[in-house]
Amino acid sequence: DTGVSQDPRHKITKRGQNVTFRCDPISEHNRLYWYRQTLGQGPEFLTYFQNEAQLEKSRLLSDRFSAERPKGSFSTLEIQRTEQGDSAMYLCASSSTGVGTEAFFGQGTRLTVV
Amino acid sequence: KNEVEQSPQNLTAQEGEFITINCSYSVGISALHWLQQHPGGGIVSLFMLSSGKKKHGRLIATINIQEKHSSLHITASHPRDSAVYICAAMFYYGGSQGNLIFGKGTKLSVKP
Repeated sequence: DTGVSQDPRHKITKRGQNVTFRCDPISEHNRLYWYRQTLGQGPEFLTYFQNEAQLEKSRLLSDRFSAERPKGSFSTLEIQRTEQGDSAMYLCASSSTGVGTEAFFGQGTRLTVV
Repeated sequence: KNEVEQSPQNLTAQEGEFITINCSYSVGISALHWLQQHPGGGIVSLFMLSSGKKKHGRLIATINIQEKHSSLHITASHPRDSAVYICAAMFYYGGSQGNLIFGKGTKLSVKP
């Protein structure tokens, strides 16, 4: 297993277009997290899954944002009708549950909306 | 409530200085991560700590479980260390934002 991978690494899109990002977690991890990071700030929580169930969604996740994790494996984050304010780094992380658990981090997808 | 506080928010240092970045958290954790992000770059995991101290090159990370506090030290700092450093805590119990909580990051600038 090569760790958490995110695809694409960079995405430039025109305002109003839809974009979809993918995260492949560590294969045995049942928790998967999405965060958004704007320039010079720490990551802000968007949503997280335990297996295929989306347990929490931040109020940052407007109606234009949707996340899925079919079959409890990879996850997708879709942004519809992108706005310039959506430009950010979108970070995925995964973990197992239980004592001593640690998180593993993807390198992020950098979105630029022009 | 699971919370992570990181300080300072911004740090400017001269090349060669010893640097310390601090991270404190609210309740019990199973792991504390230190991450690095260069301008325009992705997230790189530096350390995972559950106790004690770890060292990698000029970077040292420590954690005090009783004090609920961790520090990242950079010895003999260099301009290439300029980056955002972020701590992230994996809490035993999840709250409304799950159990993986990030600090707001420390933007480090090392001047030659």
